[in-house]
Amino acid sequence: QVQLQESGPGLGKPSEALSLTCAVSGGSISSGYWSWFRQPPGKGLEWIGNIQFSGATHYNPSLRSRVSMSVDASNNQFSLRLNSVTAADTAVYYCARGSGWLGASWGQGTLVTVSS
Amino acid sequence: EVVLTQSPGTLSLSPGERATLSCRASQSVTNDYLAWYQHKPGQAPRLLVYGASSRVFGIPDRFSGSGSGTDFTLTISRLEPEDFAVYICHQYGSSPLTFGAGAKVEIK
Repeated sequence: QVQLQESGPGLGKPSEALSLTCAVSGGSISSGYWSWFRQPPGKGLEWIGNIQFSGATHYNPSLRSRVSMSVDASNNQFSLRLNSVTAADTAVYYCARGSGWLGASWGQGTLVTVSS
Repeated sequence: EVVLTQSPGTLSLSPGERATLSCRASQSVTNDYLAWYQHKPGQAPRLLVYGASSRVFGIPDRFSGSGSGTDFTLTISRLEPEDFAVYICHQYGSSPLTFGAGAKVEIK
């Protein structure tokens, strides 16, 4: 069974970039879709986007200008970069393995707080 | 963007009772690509149902999904203690993918 584990700095500063990594174990990252979601405190889940092994990406239009994703096959992991963060980007960030675009298996999530 | 509205927001029930959760979409969900997740604090969301009515392998058969178009339902036939959680509907048929606000099933 594929397992996913998010990692990254728990604290980010306004206007800077945020980078998170999702390590995949129990399966290869070389096929399928790999997704990022987030949930701000007290709010609902939000889809950030997904990436395929080929590098093809699909982003939420609301975040497209600030988001990029990449795949690191050698380390069986994928990453999220979010630029120009504000307090509104404070959230629990989840990575997931997709069955198509559907997030089938999710990581436990990592809290990122944006504050000066 | 497809807006998903879940009702009720909170359901207070006792173990053994039936839970019926509703999810209404602002427009027809493409291919009925509607999923349900169970989410407990500090845990990963757990996929229960996809394609409106297909249960994920290993999910107990007390969980069932139904509906099509704009109206969908998740039914838990007999609540077990471990079923008290937040349930979230999710459409993955059109971009941007969207989620309902969640419905909390709490112990009465």
